[in-house]
Formats: sequence, C-alpha cells, structure tokens
Amino acid sequence: GESVGLHLPTLSVQEGDNSIINCAYSNSASDYFIWYKQESGKGPQFIIDIRSNMDKRQGQRVTVLLNKTVKHLSLQIAATQPGDSAVYFCAENGGGGADGLTFGKGTHLIIQP
Amino acid sequence: NAGVTQTPKFQVLKTGQSMTLQCAQDMNHNSMYWYRQDPGMGLRLIYYSASEGTTDKGEVPNGYNVSRLNKREFSLRLESAAPSQTSVYFCASGRAQRIYEQYFGPGTRLTVT
Repeated sequence: GESVGLHLPTLSVQEGDNSIINCAYSNSASDYFIWYKQESGKGPQFIIDIRSNMDKRQGQRVTVLLNKTVKHLSLQIAATQPGDSAVYFCAENGGGGADGLTFGKGTHLIIQP
Repeated sequence: NAGVTQTPKFQVLKTGQSMTLQCAQDMNHNSMYWYRQDPGMGLRLIYYSASEGTTDKGEVPNGYNVSRLNKREFSLRLESAAPSQTSVYFCASGRAQRIYEQYFGPGTRLTVT
C-alpha cells in the first residue's frame, strides 16, 4: 500500500523567474525573523534576517518582507537559479536572548530549467 | 576553519541503547544548540547553552541530556534510545551579538530500531 507521510509545501518556478516564499509566524513578541536555506543532506544556512521594527530588508538577490498586522513573512528571490533549489525555513527568535529559534515547517523550492 | 562539526554522521541503535552525539565549533561562539529534524518538519530545539557552564531545556528535552564540556564542545546524550528518537540531529552555534544567525553542523542521522 501507499505510505502516508508529511509533505512539505512545494513551490516550482522557472529558472530566471522571481520566487516568493511565504510564512505565517505566531509569536508577536519575537525580536527577529529569519530565513534559512537547507540543501539536501546539509544543515540549514542563514540567508537574511529582519528586525521586528522593520517591514522590508534587502540582501543580495533576496528581499524579506514583514507584515506584523497579519503575522506574515515572505522571502523574495530574484532571478532564481538552479543553486536556489532547497528547502526554505522561516524562523523567529521568541523574546530574544540566546534561547534558540522556533522554525516553521519549510517550503521546498524546485527550479525548472 | 571547520565551522561546526558533528560526529558520528550516521548511527543505528537498538531500543534501550545509549549513545552520545558530539559537536564542536571553532568560531569562538558563546551559544550552542541541539535541534532535531523529523521528516517534513522544521527543526525543534532540544537543549541550548547560552554560555560555557550553563544549559537549558528547549521545546523537546525529554529523553535527552547535554553537557557543555568547554566553550568549543556541546554533547547530546540519549540514555535509553526509543524509536521516537529516530531523527536527524543538528548542532548549531551563534555569537551573542547576532544570536539569530546560527551556524549549523552537517547533522547526525540516527535510527532507533
């Protein structure tokens, strides 16, 4: 029979197009919201962060948008490349301090040639 | 500069056996973390150490113990492994000034039969 397991949300984009990955967070008290990228078989890698008092931050080919009204975070990747294929996680750091991050479940970004 | 290293990479245990996962970082970071990642899920915090000599429980500490041996090393011990502990375990470290930017090791894939 067919096994049933947890499936990540998947976003499939054409190479060269822009990608938008979305995330809903839960803790309004978080100081920072962060995006991590995880390639197959590797540990997560930091991409970009945004502080709670900002609504937009740009990095190299990436932009993060924060909408605190609806508790929504998004990651935009410009001109998506094959190397962008990975699982992307949003995370938040709670109330601050060194007490670890709370991660979302992740989105699998697939790049079509 | 190796970053965060973890040993072993793979391990198979029988129910009731014990083992210690090792983690070391060479970035002089104060904070270190242990997370577990189950299929299709984000990472969940098991334990963390904000500085040498201190450890605290995270979201899912039951069945685990940790030791912050020195500033470089943070080990995770399973005293009596259970099938529910089958997972991929990631160690991470971070510096106090940017605690949300964590550096992850390559992970240990643990199967408990």
